[in-house]
Amino acid sequence: QKEVEQNSGPLSVPEGAIASLNCTYSDRGSQSFFWYRQYSGKSPELIMFIYSNGDKEDGRFTAQLNKASQYVSLLIRDSQPSDSATYLCAVTSYSGGGADGLTFGKGTHLIIQP
Amino acid sequence: DTAVSQTPKYLVTQMGNDKSIKCEQNLGHDTMYWYKQDSKKFLKIMFSYNNKELIINETVPNRFSPKSPDKAHLNLHINSLELGDSAVYFCASSLSGGYNEQFFGPGTRLTVL
Repeated sequence: QKEVEQNSGPLSVPEGAIASLNCTYSDRGSQSFFWYRQYSGKSPELIMFIYSNGDKEDGRFTAQLNKASQYVSLLIRDSQPSDSATYLCAVTSYSGGGADGLTFGKGTHLIIQP
Repeated sequence: DTAVSQTPKYLVTQMGNDKSIKCEQNLGHDTMYWYKQDSKKFLKIMFSYNNKELIINETVPNRFSPKSPDKAHLNLHINSLELGDSAVYFCASSLSGGYNEQFFGPGTRLTVL
């Protein structure tokens, strides 16, 4: 059974600080890793994906992957009140041939305090 | 220019009724999915279709039947609705051959009374 674990929070971070969100997964066959942001009452919005060990940066966001430790993280620099949302970690075993669904964690509720 | 659209946005119905939710994507993707997000906000895959062919059918009651008339559409029909079916249903799509980045529709909030 594939599982993705996240701390549900809430995680409270002052505006301008770095928010650090963490995720662990159980399936060693997982190939691709995603961070989605979901505002209340809205659909999940893809922020970043990563598929190789190391860091991947996109603007204020950095995704980090450590396959040996089965650990994925998301760093948000210069946090803004608009970053307040639930962040969903998702993984898939998809490797280019099929249509695997994403296995989601239960999400971390992030609150950026002005 | 909506990428993934769903109708209706809200659906309120009585137990025992049959209802359908429609999904369309204009991204040129060849894979579409249905997810269910329950009251605790847990998002779980139900079905996936690749080029109109069913690929995944997770442990979902057979009262739920997906139908894909073409690559751009994936509808979800639910028979004999039960209270526990109340949830938000999200459609998503992706392009096969990539890393499976999936893009979600706005969701359909189903309430069964």
